[in-house]
Amino acid sequence: GQNIDQPTEMTATEGAIVQINCTYQTSGFNGLFWYQQHAGEAPTFLSYNVLDGLEEKGRFSSFLSRSKGYSYLLLKELQMKDSASYLCAVRANFNKFYFGSGTKLNVKP
Amino acid sequence: ETGVTQTPRHLVMGMTNKKSLKCEQHLGHNAMYWYKQSAKKPLELMFVYNFKEQTENNSVPSRFSPECPNSSHLFLHLHTLQPEDSALYLCASSQDPAPSSYNEQFFGPGTRLTVL
Repeated sequence: GQNIDQPTEMTATEGAIVQINCTYQTSGFNGLFWYQQHAGEAPTFLSYNVLDGLEEKGRFSSFLSRSKGYSYLLLKELQMKDSASYLCAVRANFNKFYFGSGTKLNVKP
Repeated sequence: ETGVTQTPRHLVMGMTNKKSLKCEQHLGHNAMYWYKQSAKKPLELMFVYNFKEQTENNSVPSRFSPECPNSSHLFLHLHTLQPEDSALYLCASSQDPAPSSYNEQFFGPGTRLTVL
């Protein structure tokens, strides 16, 4: 089976940097995605990693180590609107997606 | 309409009812998905359609029946559901199901289903 773990909840201060970790155990790995989901809304795509290393997109960066089954999402210059759940998802076995339970991020003033 | 739309947004049904959820994508994508999202649980992949062909059925009970008449529309037919089936049902689409592709998923707003 597939096993994806991420912390349940985190709290950070506006303007700070936060790192959300995700570990996974999957077979047929074919890419890792991060999504943001505000309460009552649909998930929206943030980033994608298929090779080891860091991908940067503005205030958001995502890192992948396939040998360690590990990824993190880094959010810089936190804003209040970043308060949301962040979902780690692995694509495996052609086109199946497996999601973690999500990390609820609370950004405080 | 743009993106991925879902109707209805909210649905309350009894265990003996038959209802259908509808999803439509206006993005020209070739893959469509149904997910179930329950409180405190991960998103669960239910069904995958690639180029209108069902490629995945993730051990979903037969009381859930998907239908994909064309690459833009996806239905989820519901019959004799149980209260534990109450959840948010999300539809998603992606451009290209090939393993080598980027394949970012675009999600609809979901249907909040309550089974009494």
